[in-house]
Amino acid sequence: EVQVVESGGGLVQPGGSLKLSCAASGFTFSDSAIHWVRQASGRGLEWVGRIKSKTNTYATAYAASVTGRFTISRDDSKNTAYLQMNSLKTEDTAVYYCSRSTVTTNWACDHWGQGTLVTVSS
Amino acid sequence: EIVLTQSPGTLSLSLGERATLSCRASQRISRTYLAWYQQKPGQAPRLLIYGASSRAIGIPDRFSGSGSGTDFTLTISRLETEDFAVYYCQQYDGPPFTFGPGTKVDIK
Repeated sequence: EVQVVESGGGLVQPGGSLKLSCAASGFTFSDSAIHWVRQASGRGLEWVGRIKSKTNTYATAYAASVTGRFTISRDDSKNTAYLQMNSLKTEDTAVYYCSRSTVTTNWACDHWGQGTLVTVSS
Repeated sequence: EIVLTQSPGTLSLSLGERATLSCRASQRISRTYLAWYQQKPGQAPRLLIYGASSRAIGIPDRFSGSGSGTDFTLTISRLETEDFAVYYCQQYDGPPFTFGPGTKVDIK
């Protein structure tokens, strides 16, 4: 069974840092791209960023709202991706979802975790 | 950045009715890279349609997608109870991979 599970959320002060993890199982992790998507309470979905596979040079891309502050990485030996969040702002408060995409679905995100809540507040 | 606009914001329909949801892009996108997701309260999004018209695994055939260029449509042929939810379109033609604001389908 394909699974992705986020962890690492919590309460952090403005200006602080937090690192989220996305642990994957049930599929060939190294062949997939991993996306992070967030959703503030009562709001819509916001794409945060993506990391491609090793075959695609681990290329990353980010939303303008997080560029320069957030970094996505992955460790294929651990089947895990990460979202390092620095210089956090109150507007970064949201549920953060990890999802995978593969060539099978033209790189659309076909499996999602249940999300981890990040709260940025003093 | 490609901006996606979804209409209507809310669609109030009865069981068995047909739902037609629209997604319009601010510039032309490849139909290969247009997806639709369903989200219910407290749940993660679920992929319904990718490549504008291909159903994801396990998605009932009452869901269908169409369109090209800047205009795309998700159609639910006959609404069932479990279809009342929020629907998002997303383009992943080129980063940033933006989502539309969503259409809420609720019970009339």
